[in-house]
Amino acid sequence: EAGVAQSPRYKIIEKRQSVAFWCNPISGHATLYWYQQILGQGPKLLIQFQNNGVVDDSQLPKDRFSAERLKGVDSTLKIQPAKLEDSAVYLCASSATTGYKHEKLFFGSGTQLSVL
Amino acid sequence: AQKITQTQPGMFVQEKEAVTLDCTYDTSDPSYGLFWYKQPSSGEMIFLIYQGSYDQQNATEGRYSLNFQKARKSANLVISASQLGDSAMYFCAMREGRGAQKLVFGQGTRLTINP
Repeated sequence: EAGVAQSPRYKIIEKRQSVAFWCNPISGHATLYWYQQILGQGPKLLIQFQNNGVVDDSQLPKDRFSAERLKGVDSTLKIQPAKLEDSAVYLCASSATTGYKHEKLFFGSGTQLSVL
Repeated sequence: AQKITQTQPGMFVQEKEAVTLDCTYDTSDPSYGLFWYKQPSSGEMIFLIYQGSYDQQNATEGRYSLNFQKARKSANLVISASQLGDSAMYFCAMREGRGAQKLVFGQGTRLTINP
């Protein structure tokens, strides 16, 4: 079974530029998550999709971050314009159903973003 | 208020020894789930073990076990017979209640296994 795919693996941009990350979840998984992991910290949820609808985006900085999940499969996360504090690893994860308490998440390898 | 607390930023253990990684949590919801994930240097988060709040017995998965003390709100991970490949970051996480609740992570503990 293929895992969660993310690209690119690394990205370096200058502040005020825009950047986009792509995620392909495990086939058939209904729920997709984007997490931000700043160096030395645990992952923080940015947005959670169930199929192609948003379940939780309470911690997404909506003035600069946007995300979409077209047709309930792939997802893209965009930052425009980027700030220095956006430097982090962006992790995509998926789970089979709708986030029941016992359901584990499967993670991709992440995209490491450096904003200079 | 922080929901998940991991008080050990780093741990150093000799190979083949057992190690306990601490995790305390805060919730008023009687229904919740606790997870441990491993993050090696490659970056991918790997699921290790799960404990539900209503589970009567401590969870075990191979060399991993979870020391669940509900009254103390603690869910410590025990790794028996540590191996060099266990060197990684370890994260405790919790999901509360029912429905599409988010998984909240602690700050993590960096475990280093010495030969």
